[in-house]
Amino acid sequence: RKEVEQDPGPFNVPEGATVAFNCTYSNSASQSFFWYRQDCRKEPKLLMSVYSSGNEDGRFTAQLNRASQYISLLIRDSKLSDSATYLCVVNDSSYKLIFGSGTRLLVRP
Amino acid sequence: AAGVIQSPRHLIKEKRETATLKCYPIPRHDTVYWYQQGPGQDPQFLISFYEKMQSDKGSIPDRFSAQQFSDYHSELNMSSLELGDSALYFCASRTARAAETQYFGPGTRLLVL
Repeated sequence: RKEVEQDPGPFNVPEGATVAFNCTYSNSASQSFFWYRQDCRKEPKLLMSVYSSGNEDGRFTAQLNRASQYISLLIRDSKLSDSATYLCVVNDSSYKLIFGSGTRLLVRP
Repeated sequence: AAGVIQSPRHLIKEKRETATLKCYPIPRHDTVYWYQQGPGQDPQFLISFYEKMQSDKGSIPDRFSAQQFSDYHSELNMSSLELGDSALYFCASRTARAAETQYFGPGTRLLVL
């Protein structure tokens, strides 16, 4: 079983839709949580860190539930440019990143 | 702003050959991480360095070695290459004093024939 689990998708949504991604992690000692975005054949890019109080950055909202070891990402008003793979990532005390397999999002016109 | 630099960007090798991948972290970043991403896979941690010392080790084959130099750049040396080593190799850097965020380089795409 992978340490970070995600629904692989793909999620195929129209422009303007709201889409939610979920992620669970198994290591209760995980310290920090992130959503990264990866475009095809490109490097992962940090989308946002995830905090216990929940946090928002424009159209993106991330939530963390430490008790359930559950992380979510909500994207509102989807744009064509949001099409990418979204990686749920955690790190441990050594700060190395542990990636989920990613969720593919396709936003259609 | 300066980003992480990796070279070469693309590399083609034959089985049993050796390869050296280079990573130049963001200025003033003292910690470097190497990740391997196989086709259709998520990135897997290989090894990391802090202040020129190995700080953590992941699923790195014994055929691979790495080091961080005095100018903080890092090199990943890969010997006796196998077909399964074909992957994207990412380097990421951070500063241990500040945020935990890692910034990724553009990657080196290695193809072993």
